[in-house]
Amino acid sequence: GEQVEQLPSILRVQEGSSASINCSYEDSASNYFPWYKQEPGENPKLIIDIRSNMERKQIQELIVLLDKKAKRFSLHITDTQPGDSAMYFCASLTGANTGKLTFGHGTILRVHP
Amino acid sequence: EAAVTQSPRNKVAVTGGKVTLSCNQTNNHNNMYWYRQDTGHGLRLIHYSYGAGSTEKGDIPDGYKASRPSQENFSLILELATPSQTSVYFCASGADWGSAEQFFGPGTRLTVL
Repeated sequence: GEQVEQLPSILRVQEGSSASINCSYEDSASNYFPWYKQEPGENPKLIIDIRSNMERKQIQELIVLLDKKAKRFSLHITDTQPGDSAMYFCASLTGANTGKLTFGHGTILRVHP
Repeated sequence: EAAVTQSPRNKVAVTGGKVTLSCNQTNNHNNMYWYRQDTGHGLRLIHYSYGAGSTEKGDIPDGYKASRPSQENFSLILELATPSQTSVYFCASGADWGSAEQFFGPGTRLTVL
């Protein structure tokens, strides 16, 4: 089945700097790539996503880039704040009708004041 | 009002016992999913369903059964619980058209002694 690799597993940044998380996938038929944020003790929530007909998408301080040739996508958080500290998961859609997502192992982001 | 609810929120079971985790959604989504979350493994799909009466094996189905008696309800059943099934379990729902966003429940923390 599909495999999604996510790096790094832990990311520590200073407040105000940028943070980048990288993911790669195997299935060339994957066409949807969401990012979920999970606060401690909470459930994962969708924060941004990108479809395969796009190379870049931005929502406020969140930027997602997609390189279909390399089968890589990435999340960039600009001007990080302590409230950005959380677990982040990337995923790829592997079944169009079932909406079956394959998730990466997650990145713990710590933003230090 | 929460659209995906899970019960119980916490459960302690004994090895060899039967455990049933319940999930209810009011999103009117056809697709529902059961994941487990473990440190170092991210979110792994156990079973999913694309409508009432259907269940499909996910990536790690061994030791688990699922039941979808109605559009709203999706249960995960551990017939003979083992300590290796100690984990946090998340249920999610998603539409089978338009956005592939999945909406997660609050999670169930299961400890098998």
